[in-house]
Amino acid sequence: AQSVTQLDSQVPVFEEAPVELRCNYSSSVSVYLFWYVQYPNQGLQLLLKYLSGSTLVKGINGFEAEFNKSQTSFHLRKPSVHISDTAEYFCAVKESGYALNFGKGTSLLVTP
Amino acid sequence: DAGVIQSPRHEVTEMGQEVTLRCKPISGHDYLFWYRQTMMRGLELLIYFNNNVPIDDSGMPEDRFSAKMPNASFSTLKIQPSEPRDSAVYFCASSLSGANYGYTFGSGTRLTVV
Repeated sequence: AQSVTQLDSQVPVFEEAPVELRCNYSSSVSVYLFWYVQYPNQGLQLLLKYLSGSTLVKGINGFEAEFNKSQTSFHLRKPSVHISDTAEYFCAVKESGYALNFGKGTSLLVTP
Repeated sequence: DAGVIQSPRHEVTEMGQEVTLRCKPISGHDYLFWYRQTMMRGLELLIYFNNNVPIDDSGMPEDRFSAKMPNASFSTLKIQPSEPRDSAVYFCASSLSGANYGYTFGSGTRLTVV
């Protein structure tokens, strides 16, 4: 069975600072990994996904994530955040034949 | 494509009433998922369908909840009778088959049971 742990429930950061949102997963088989963003009062949007190949994945809005198999992690990063990046971020893992399993989310708050 | 369409966006109902949430998936997507989001429990998968057939309903909280997918372009989630603890945002999502596909989510239905 798969599980996803997002280590930080809230991450406050100043505008233009770098940010890392942490995600660890547990699974006994190969998985596919995803990051979603949820802006207030909206549904979830796909930021990026790791399927195979290069461990560094680039997504929309300047975000990227690195897959680390040995540490079973898939941390999300952005070198310089904007006020508009304030949102809830969800890491998710998927095994073949199963539905997406989401972490509990990390609330990113960007302040001037 | 208009994306996944959910209706209504907001629903306020009295305890004991029947509530029906609706979802239109993206055309051509053969998987449909219903999730519930609350502050306490985060995103919970309630049920999902493949080619209109329910595959896993183990997340449905109790018999008061039921879901149907009569055709490839429409699904409903019904709560009867509703209770205050059912208050949440309910999301529908659809996907193509294949483990490497992510989901496209609708904008959600915010349900308040008073």
